[in-house]
Amino acid sequence: SQQGEEDPQALSIQEGENATMNCSYKTSINNLQWYRQNSGRGLVHLILIRSNEREKHSGRLRVTLDTSKKSSSLLITASRAADTASYFCATSLFSGGYNKLIFGAGTRLAVHP
Amino acid sequence: GAGVSQSPSNKVTEKGKDVELRCDPISGHTALYWYRQSLGQGLEFLIYFQGNSAPDKSGLPSDRFSAERTGGSVSTLTIQRTQQEDSAVYLCASSFGGTRSYNEQFFGPGTRLTVL
Repeated sequence: SQQGEEDPQALSIQEGENATMNCSYKTSINNLQWYRQNSGRGLVHLILIRSNEREKHSGRLRVTLDTSKKSSSLLITASRAADTASYFCATSLFSGGYNKLIFGAGTRLAVHP
Repeated sequence: GAGVSQSPSNKVTEKGKDVELRCDPISGHTALYWYRQSLGQGLEFLIYFQGNSAPDKSGLPSDRFSAERTGGSVSTLTIQRTQQEDSAVYLCASSFGGTRSYNEQFFGPGTRLTVL
C-alpha cells in the first residue's frame, strides 16, 4: 500500500495566488521528494528534502518537512496557468540495498488565468 | 543525452492477450524501476533492477506479470493473459544506483495500456 497521503486531492486557484499541498507518511524516511506530472504521463522531479532538513527553496517552490509529525508541504508561490498539473510526494527509504520510492496519491492543481 | 524512452506510447489489447512493454533507460544508469499508475492514482511500485538482476520484485501484482532486463540496459515488462484491471499507465524510471546516497530517478513518458 502507498505510504504517502496527500491533501487536498484537488486544488483550484487563480493565477498569482499561492498553492499549498500537504503530504503525510507513516514510516521513517531518508528523504522526501516532490514530483510534477502533466497530463498523466512522465514525472518530473521538482525538489528533494533530506530527513535532517526542515525547509528548502527552489525558485517559486518552498518545501517543509516535519519528521515528528511525518508530514511535508509544498508551497508554490505566485502561481501561473502553466503550473496546472498533478503533484506527488514520494518518500525514500534505503532498504534492500537501494532507495525505494513510495508515492502518494497526488494533488491535482488547476490554476486559472 | 536522451532521456528514458518507452514504447509503445499507447497499447490497446483484448482481454486475455499478452502484451510487452519496453523501456530504454538513460545510458549508464544501472538501476531501473517499473511503476504502474491507475487512473487518478499515485504510482505503484512494481519491480527494481540493479544491472540485469531484480533484487526487489515485491510489487508485481500477480504471476501474470514478469520483467527482464538484458545487457544492463533495455527492460521488458510482460503481462500475460491481460485483464481489464491491468489497464493503467506503466512508467519506467532509471537512475545511478546501488549506493545509500539518493540517486534521482528519471522517468519515461509511460505506456498507456487499455484492456478491452
